[in-house]
Amino acid sequence: DVKVTQSSRYLVKRTGEKVFLECVQDMDHENMFWYRQDPGLGLRLIYFSYDVKMKEKGDIPEGYSVSREKKERFSLILESASTNQTSMYLCASSSSGTRGNEQFFGPGTRLTVL
Amino acid sequence: GDSVTQMEGPVTLSEEAFLTINCTYTATGYPSLFWYVQYPGEGLQLLLKATKADDKGSNKGFEATYRKETTSFHLEKGSVQVSDSAVYFCALGTGGGNKLTFGTGTQLKVEL
Repeated sequence: DVKVTQSSRYLVKRTGEKVFLECVQDMDHENMFWYRQDPGLGLRLIYFSYDVKMKEKGDIPEGYSVSREKKERFSLILESASTNQTSMYLCASSSSGTRGNEQFFGPGTRLTVL
Repeated sequence: GDSVTQMEGPVTLSEEAFLTINCTYTATGYPSLFWYVQYPGEGLQLLLKATKADDKGSNKGFEATYRKETTSFHLEKGSVQVSDSAVYFCALGTGGGNKLTFGTGTQLKVEL
């Protein structure tokens, strides 16, 4: 059974803390993505990666960074958490090449910044 | 840029009612189109997809047809069940990296 796992389902942090969200996939996918999901706004792409050590900005990269040192792992970093980063964070992965490849999603991490 | 517009929810239906959730898109080129579903407390999972004009995607009784002339990909099901209660997202994919652009989601609640 293919799987995308995220390190935490729920996380509570304080303003100014550095936050790491981890995502691991076991499908040998080239592409990995980080989204945030907010009511009324749908999913918005933060960053994505096509390969190890590669990263590209999505639609809302401000306040975030990412790291992809291994093919199966993609980390999202909040350098200094702020209350407006309280959200649901979803990781996804997909394979390259064929048109219309689906993205596989993890269960999400609900982050609250106090 | 690319965008997806889907009908706002929540949509509340009785069991066995007919469902339509509208989705229209704007994209350069020829995107692939997707419907994802998110059940309570879970991540998104692919419901169905279509990769070219006039293709029909179908799964679990749900269907959607890629209409290039109307730039639409409306989701339909003939008879909904309580277990279909979820949030439904329309999305389009462009580019070799399979980047997706999502709509805002439509919450469906099915009652007995």
